[in-house]
Amino acid sequence: DIQMTQSPSSLSASVGDRVTITCRASQGISNYLAWFQQKPGKAPKSLIYAASSLQSGVPSKFSGSGSGTDFTLTISSLQPEDFATYYCQQYNSYPPTFGGGTKVEIK
Amino acid sequence: EVQLVESGGGLVQPGRSLRLSCAASGFTFDDYAMHWVRQAPGKGLEWVSGISWNSGSIGYADSVKGRFTISRDNAKNSLYLQMNSLRAEDTALYYCAKDLMVQGVLYYFDYWGQGTLVTVSS
Repeated sequence: DIQMTQSPSSLSASVGDRVTITCRASQGISNYLAWFQQKPGKAPKSLIYAASSLQSGVPSKFSGSGSGTDFTLTISSLQPEDFATYYCQQYNSYPPTFGGGTKVEIK
Repeated sequence: EVQLVESGGGLVQPGRSLRLSCAASGFTFDDYAMHWVRQAPGKGLEWVSGISWNSGSIGYADSVKGRFTISRDNAKNSLYLQMNSLRAEDTALYYCAKDLMVQGVLYYFDYWGQGTLVTVSS
């Protein structure tokens, strides 16, 4: 199975900050990479697929980049509603696998 | 609006069985693959099982293979997960999730339900 490693596992940031989360795959996955946001007690919400395509309805402050093994999720200006845990997921190879998550907390 | 509503969770003893259901609405159910993804308390996400739009392709995580069975009833817009020989490590919130691809299986989950909690304990 492909291992997905996210870094950092947690971070503290202030409202208005630019935040970048990294996801690394244990082998190349082309651009078959998705990002999800999960708030406490809620279901995951899809943000980005195909590494950089925004899911319908997701604000443009979220952006994704990367290909092969290294990927990033960027939040351009952190807002109170963005404090959550973010997961990456590869769907290039079976079975689909998720990263361990990055918790974004208020500084 | 896409809606996925899971049900059937609860407290069950180790070795017993449970059947989860997911009622879908707001999209053409029989055009899309569907999946179950679980999350143990305080842990990350784990894909459990998926089924293609026509039930012709089915897959399971190694952790549940031989114990869990996924199925769907397109006439009822419903997805199911039959869970047998349950173990303590199966304790989790089980989410129903829709695949993005029409009449294919991409393993990207664009919509999720709110989940149903399964607790395996004596």
